[in-house]
Amino acid sequence: DTGVSQNPRHKITKRGQNVTFRCDPISEHNRLYWYRQTLGQGPEFLTYFQNEAQLEKSRLLSDRFSAERPKGSFSTLEIQRTEQGDSAMYLCASSLLGTGTYEQYFGPGTRLTVT
Amino acid sequence: AQRVTQPEKLLSVFKGAPVELKCNYSYSGSPELFWYVQYSRQRLQLLLRHISRESIKGFTADLNKGETSFHLKKPFAQEEDSAMYYCALSGQGAQKLVFGQGTRLTINP
Repeated sequence: DTGVSQNPRHKITKRGQNVTFRCDPISEHNRLYWYRQTLGQGPEFLTYFQNEAQLEKSRLLSDRFSAERPKGSFSTLEIQRTEQGDSAMYLCASSLLGTGTYEQYFGPGTRLTVT
Repeated sequence: AQRVTQPEKLLSVFKGAPVELKCNYSYSGSPELFWYVQYSRQRLQLLLRHISRESIKGFTADLNKGETSFHLKKPFAQEEDSAMYYCALSGQGAQKLVFGQGTRLTINP
């Protein structure tokens, strides 16, 4: 396990199509976060899970977005009926609650381009 | 409202000169403050957190609750410090991070 991994790394899709991204956190990390980053901005929080429970969702997460973390391991983020405004880098991070450090470890991101 | 402001999008200094990246925050309560760094073609990684009060790669940051600031400082910049730096805050207990817009630091030889 060399860290948080995300697949695919790049995705180009046409407007109106559905896309799904996957995040594999560091083993045993019980918290998993999704962020979105657009050009020139810092990452913006979308949602996070503790084990399999989705604990918080941002207002940025419209009803076209859905995230899951079955069995508290990997997570998927699906965007339905993509729009050009969805073009961004989607970042996943994980952390281990209970160690006191709360450091979030980030993946390399999935760059989505909607044409 | 939770907000992090990094007033400088770009900062350029010469090697060996002091560096200060500014960060101001707005939060009702006691936040945890962090600096994250992203080197070219690498993922975002934690540089330091205010709780640990440590110096990493020569960088330090002091939390000033009166001025609601968490500026990042280094007395002598090195070329390898060139990167994108993000200030971030979270509530107590491993909650979501709120990031600033980031400052791109360039160290000139």
